[in-house]
Amino acid sequence: AQSVTQLGSHVSVSEGALVLLRCNYSSSVPPYLFWYVQYPNQGLQLLLKYTTGATLVKGINGFEAEFKKSETSFHLTKPSAHMSDAAEYFCAVSINAGGTSYGKLTFGQGTILTVHP
Amino acid sequence: EAQVTQNPRYLITVTGKKLTVTCSQNMNHEYMSWYRQDPGLGLRQIYYSMNVEVTDKGDVPEGYKVSRKEKRNFPLILESPSPNQTSLYFCASSLGGGPGSGYTFGSGTRLTVV
Repeated sequence: AQSVTQLGSHVSVSEGALVLLRCNYSSSVPPYLFWYVQYPNQGLQLLLKYTTGATLVKGINGFEAEFKKSETSFHLTKPSAHMSDAAEYFCAVSINAGGTSYGKLTFGQGTILTVHP
Repeated sequence: EAQVTQNPRYLITVTGKKLTVTCSQNMNHEYMSWYRQDPGLGLRQIYYSMNVEVTDKGDVPEGYKVSRKEKRNFPLILESPSPNQTSLYFCASSLGGGPGSGYTFGSGTRLTVV
């Protein structure tokens, strides 16, 4: 079975500072990895995803993430935080398997990002 | 506009009173799924459906039922709601449900059971 751990339930940064949200996964087969963002009172929006190929993935709003197999990590970064980045972020994993794992996204616990002026 | 529509957005109900949360998608997606979101636990899958009349349990199916009589609709049924089902619920759909599929999420239904 696959699992995801997000390190830090709350992260606070200043506007203009680097954003780093940590995600580690566990999977017995090659994973497919996702980052979603949830703004207050809204659904989940896909930021970026890693399926195969290039390990550095660029997403929307200036975010990117790097798949590191040796570290089982998929950390999310953004060079310069904006006030509008304040939201909750979820890392998720999916695998290419049948049975009850088919199509399932397994989510981390979420990280709330606060951006200070 | 391609979207997943859930109704209602907010619902307060009493213990034991049957309720249905509707979910509809207009993208002709085969795969649909229900998740619940709880603080500190992220989102957990309740049920999923790979196509019409094909449904299966996710990680936390107890107390819930689903049906998939039409491709576009995937209602979530709580036959006897209890306070521990107070949560934020999301419906999601994808074209094929494979691991690299993009998922479209609804806006959520916040349910309170008193």
